[in-house]
Amino acid sequence: AQTVTQSQPEMSVQEAETVTLSCTYDTSESDYYLFWYKQPPSRQMILVIRQEAYKQQNATENRFSVNFQKAAKSFSLKISDSQLGDAAMYFCATYPQGTYKYIFGTGTRLKVLA
Amino acid sequence: DAGITQSPRYKITETGRQVTLMCHQTWSHSYMFWYRQDLGHGLRLIYYSAAADITDKGEVPDGYVVSRSKTENFPLTLESATRSQTSVYFCASGSPETQYFGPGTRLLVL
Repeated sequence: AQTVTQSQPEMSVQEAETVTLSCTYDTSESDYYLFWYKQPPSRQMILVIRQEAYKQQNATENRFSVNFQKAAKSFSLKISDSQLGDAAMYFCATYPQGTYKYIFGTGTRLKVLA
Repeated sequence: DAGITQSPRYKITETGRQVTLMCHQTWSHSYMFWYRQDLGHGLRLIYYSAAADITDKGEVPDGYVVSRSKTENFPLTLESATRSQTSVYFCASGSPETQYFGPGTRLLVL
């Protein structure tokens, strides 16, 4: 079975500091995608970053970057220069190619302290 | 406006009643998805559709029915609502690799 584990229910970071959210996953598929989604209080799910498993280079999107360790099945999200607007729930997810099914983790609530 | 919309945004119903949640997208995406979000479970896939008239079950399909007569619409029906179906429901469209989510419908079953 495909699983995604986020072991940190809640994290806090000072404004302008850097924080890393952890995610591990388990899949038997060789081809898959990994995602981080942000869910602010509005509940809208917003795609933060996407990583294709066959690519060794870590994906980056402005202040957001990932550390993708394929052998360890680890996919952490680093947020640099944290801003108050980054406060949200963050969900890690995987999509094994050809299954049409996203598997989500249970989320990490990020608090940003002014 | 282009995008993906859901209606209603909030719904209160009673056990045993039929409820239909609507999802509409203007991008002409082939794929559409329904998820439910519960505390402690993240999002779980209920049903998905690869194209008009093609639907398939996800992780938690029991108690739900879907249809897709038009590419842009993907309604989700709870045929006889139960308290365990109290949840936030998200519709998404796109490709399997990239999904765009609607704003969600909060459903309370009394």
